[in-house]
Amino acid sequence: DAGVTQSPTHLIKTRGQQVTLRCSPKSGHDTVSWYQQALGQGPQFIFQYYEEEERQRGNFPDRFSGHQFPNYSSELNVNALLLGDSALYLCASSFTTSAGSGDIQYFGAGTRLSVL
Amino acid sequence: QQQVKQSPQSLIVQKGGISIINCAYENTAFDYFPWYQQFPGKGPALLIAIRPDVSEKKEGRFTISFNKSAKQFSLHIMDSQPGDSATYFCAASKGYQKVTFGIGTKLQVIP
Repeated sequence: DAGVTQSPTHLIKTRGQQVTLRCSPKSGHDTVSWYQQALGQGPQFIFQYYEEEERQRGNFPDRFSGHQFPNYSSELNVNALLLGDSALYLCASSFTTSAGSGDIQYFGAGTRLSVL
Repeated sequence: QQQVKQSPQSLIVQKGGISIINCAYENTAFDYFPWYQQFPGKGPALLIAIRPDVSEKKEGRFTISFNKSAKQFSLHIMDSQPGDSATYFCAASKGYQKVTFGIGTKLQVIP
């Protein structure tokens, strides 16, 4: 059973460019959350996708956008890259029950983004 | 706003000793408290978790102690081993909503 998979593992971009990161959730999961982890810090929540819509959003600018596909996989897009966007980007998947609960999030290995 | 405060930020323990990491939370709506273990270059891996209706949960050498009235919880690693050297994050969440992480504790277990 494959866990959460992310691609690519590493990425180098220059300021002003745009980047797309991809995530495939764990089998049976329908909810995908994205986090940014700066060096030496805990992960910070970017947004969460469920039923192909953004369900919850953290304190990140509109340069950060996402998408969820019918197969539950997801993309994170970042436009107009800044040096400060350099971080490990983590995808987490979970299952939302019919009652609206669902709390165990499983993380992928992340994509290391370096902005030069 | 740091809703989950974690301490210490670094910890050195001798092999066989007990590692203790403490966390405090502010939002009483949180109903799930996981601990994650992260090795360099890897994503966080769920280690153990507790809900507020339980005061303690033990899985092997790992124990969570939870004090609802004090809004505090802690991780105890018994018989610490060099392979336990990693960064540990306490976290909190409510339902399907975002996971709020502590700042992390870098644990080093020395032989």
